[in-house]
Amino acid sequence: DVVMTQSPLSLPVALGQPASISCRSSQSLVYSDGNTYLDWFQQRPGQSPRRLIYKVSNRDSGVPDRFSGSGSGTDFTLKISRVEAEDVGVYYCMQGTHWPLITFGQGTRLEIK
Amino acid sequence: EVQLVESGGGLVQPGGSLRLSCSASGFAFSDYAMHWVRQAPAKGLEYISAINSDATTTYYADSVKGRFTISRDNSKNTLYLQMSSLRAEDTAVYYCVKIYDRGFDSWGQGTLLTVSS
Repeated sequence: DVVMTQSPLSLPVALGQPASISCRSSQSLVYSDGNTYLDWFQQRPGQSPRRLIYKVSNRDSGVPDRFSGSGSGTDFTLKISRVEAEDVGVYYCMQGTHWPLITFGQGTRLEIK
Repeated sequence: EVQLVESGGGLVQPGGSLRLSCSASGFAFSDYAMHWVRQAPAKGLEYISAINSDATTTYYADSVKGRFTISRDNSKNTLYLQMSSLRAEDTAVYYCVKIYDRGFDSWGQGTLLTVSS
C-alpha cells in the first residue's frame, strides 16, 4: 500500500499567521491519465471530514481562498495564508491514485497558539 | 445537495454482528462507487471498504476482510455494511463516503459502533 506521511503532526499557530502542512507519499501519485489524485481534508472537532482541496490544488466549493494546495509526484503541501479560529481541527491528506487502495495520512492537529 | 445519512450503529458484544446502512440522496446513487471509512476514538481515518456502482466489484482492507460485507441497493439508494465477528478494535465512527473522480467529495455524519462486553 502507498504510505502517506504528514508533518508536522501537531501545529500550533497564532491567529493571522500562516501555516503549512507537508504530505509525502511512498510512491508517485501521478496516475496513468496524467492527473495526480491527492486530496486534503479538514476535520473540525466533533464533525465529519470535509474536503478542502482535490487533485493537489483545486479548492472545493465554499472553501476560503486562504487555503491552497501544491506539489507534485510524491511531495505535497497544504498552506493556510492566515489562520483563523475556525481553522482549528485535524487535517488529512489522502491519495486516490491507487484506488481502491486509498490511503490517508496520519493527520495534523492545528491549534491556536 | 448531496446527503448521506448513516444509521445502525450501537453497542455490540465481542463476536457479535451488526448492519450499518447509509441512505443517499441528492445525486444519482446508482452512478457512483461508494465507500466506508472508519475512525476509532481519537484516531485517524481508516479506509475499509468500497463497492462499485453496479455492485459487481468490492474491496476490503485487510483489517476487515472475511468479517465485513459491503453491499448496495440502487433501487433504495442505500449502502450497507454487514459486520460480523466484531472485535473491540472495530469500535469507531463509521462514515459513508461518495467518491467522484478518485476523490472523496461527500461524507455522511457517521454512526458510532461500540464493541464491548
